[in-house]
Amino acid sequence: DTAVSQTPKYLVTQMGNDKSIKCEQNLGHDTMYWYKQDSKKFLKIMFSYNNKELIINETVPNRFSPKSPDKAHLNLHINSLELGDSAVYFCASSTTLLDGELFFGEGSRLTVL
Amino acid sequence: QKEVEQDPGPLSVPEGAIVSLNCTYSNSAFQYFMWYRQYSRKGPELLMYTYSSGNKEDGRFTAQVDKSSKYISLFIRDSQPSDSATYLCAIGRQAGTALIFGKGTTLSVSS
Repeated sequence: DTAVSQTPKYLVTQMGNDKSIKCEQNLGHDTMYWYKQDSKKFLKIMFSYNNKELIINETVPNRFSPKSPDKAHLNLHINSLELGDSAVYFCASSTTLLDGELFFGEGSRLTVL
Repeated sequence: QKEVEQDPGPLSVPEGAIVSLNCTYSNSAFQYFMWYRQYSRKGPELLMYTYSSGNKEDGRFTAQVDKSSKYISLFIRDSQPSDSATYLCAIGRQAGTALIFGKGTTLSVSS
């Protein structure tokens, strides 16, 4: 039973398209995150939600819009995809925002052609 | 200066070697220090977590923090092929702020 699950695992799409990635955690955690990992393995925070409330919003283009319908789910919608959006997007959760132990999903590998 | 610096490697060692992985950081406000391990095509998983200066040991792994030098290390003793992965340091500044990750060091242990 996967703790943090993301779908889809792979997306290949054309520039200009819109795509969504979904994430669910069954750990009962209050806080969820989206991280972006580029081709050089650099992992950078994009967003964090705590109990459905947006807490952290790093300098991410407006084309990226997270949505948390409840504290177990955090989705990421990306409009007008660009080549530079190609990366692996990781969803993660933690007990609270104070907790440094993050539980990551397996990642969603986005390729924009 | 970047907040966290980590040599990306790659680092290749023979089985049984002692491995030393390191990160430096710039801000003395950082309070807690972690090492994550990431296998290929998987998400990172927490390996070690410490708040204070000094050493913390867990089996073959030792995490070391030197706050005066702003330097953290992960030592792996008797390295195994199963240790082949990317190791990311992560540093927390204060409550309610996001972890900052280093760029990761890719380690390969050959049998």
